[in-house]
Amino acid sequence: DTGVSQNPRHKITKRGQNVTFRCDPISEHNRLYWYRQTLGQGPEFLTYFQNEAQLEKSRLLSDRFSAERPKGSFSTLEIQRTEQGDSAMYLCASTTHTGELFFGEGSRLTVL
Amino acid sequence: AQSVAQPEDQVNVAEGNPLTVKCTYSVSGNPYLFWYVQYPNRGLQFLLKYITGDNLVKGSYGFEAEFNKSQTSFHLKKPSALVSDSALYFCAVSSIPGNTPLVFGKGTRLSVIA
Repeated sequence: DTGVSQNPRHKITKRGQNVTFRCDPISEHNRLYWYRQTLGQGPEFLTYFQNEAQLEKSRLLSDRFSAERPKGSFSTLEIQRTEQGDSAMYLCASTTHTGELFFGEGSRLTVL
Repeated sequence: AQSVAQPEDQVNVAEGNPLTVKCTYSVSGNPYLFWYVQYPNRGLQFLLKYITGDNLVKGSYGFEAEFNKSQTSFHLKKPSALVSDSALYFCAVSSIPGNTPLVFGKGTRLSVIA
């Protein structure tokens, strides 16, 4: 399968714990995006990489959130000291210069 | 700032009838417009995009969308709806595709009734 891969697909954690999600983009795509989606809402932009450089971060991305894309390949999104409000689907997408995003299946986070 | 409005939370249509899912946008400069579909517990799938050229854009699964600059709209259409088209549909806009993040609407749930 050559699509965008995300794991884990589901994560249940207790409030205050740290979680990390991984995204493997389509191999030839140099741009990688993270979005968050809550029930009844459209995806909200979190952050964006071009190769290994993090070019833009949304104000939604609090200090507890950090994203990396070492060597411009896979990316990780870490949430420290999780809160119940962090419960959401975290979506990763990749693209080239053409603009249409190719999304993974998402990682669903439930914070108890 | 970019924004998208999808004025209908839910659209119901009978199988075989034409369907329209509405989208209006606001963007500085030229708009680049996209439609995505989301099935339950799945990621978003790209349907079609408008970058430039013909105002009527054809996409996957028989869907098309009409760009109307004067009305700042990009409505999604299909001549004959299928039950399998039932899903959540998102409109999105960008000012520089690939270089600025897509901004999504809240989504419209389409139900096609047999």
